[in-house]
Amino acid sequence: DAEITQSPRHKITETGRQVTLACHQTWNHNNMFWYRQDLGHGLRLIHYSYGVHDTNKGEVSDGYSVSRSNTEDLPLTLESAASSQTSVYFCASSEVTGGYEQYFGPGTRLTVT
Amino acid sequence: AQRVTQPEKLLSVFKGAPVELKCNYSYSGSPELFWYVQYSRQRLQLLLRHISRESIKGFTADLNKGETSFHLKKPFAQEEDSAMYYCALSSYQGGSEKLVFGKGTKLTVNP
Repeated sequence: DAEITQSPRHKITETGRQVTLACHQTWNHNNMFWYRQDLGHGLRLIHYSYGVHDTNKGEVSDGYSVSRSNTEDLPLTLESAASSQTSVYFCASSEVTGGYEQYFGPGTRLTVT
Repeated sequence: AQRVTQPEKLLSVFKGAPVELKCNYSYSGSPELFWYVQYSRQRLQLLLRHISRESIKGFTADLNKGETSFHLKKPFAQEEDSAMYYCALSSYQGGSEKLVFGKGTKLTVNP
């Protein structure tokens, strides 16, 4: 069955380190998204991509980067982790634009100490 | 600017009671609205969308353009409805489409 996976599921890292969170989907969806989920803020969009080599900044993109070299993967990199980036990160994908459902991954809980 | 407001962070009801989770939006175009649900330790999943006008797990939501609202309702709440609920607006701007989420409402259904 097609699915969307994230790894690692849990990560503890130190301030200043570079961290990469993986997202992989097997639906062959063009659209992929990264969100962070924080109490009191809900879900906020970090970066998104509408296809290979396309990337766009979302609402809270500072300190994060993404690259899209193939359809299946959209890794999220924290260039220099900060304590403010402690959060739960969700990846999502959708088939096309136009109000279609987004399918979410299981999430990665990141703690920056 | 597009915005989704869920005024209640927490909502607690008893089993069998009606429940209404409020959602108001701000958007200049024709809105496409969704409700997503996140059960404990599970991923977010779509509950319903206004364009399909369907009832899922007994929940319904009606788009009221005059009041710019998309409230989620269920006549008789069940304990398994306890979850985090997010209202979301599909925003189309400059060729880009994004989902804008509200901050969520945590629903607890007590026995």
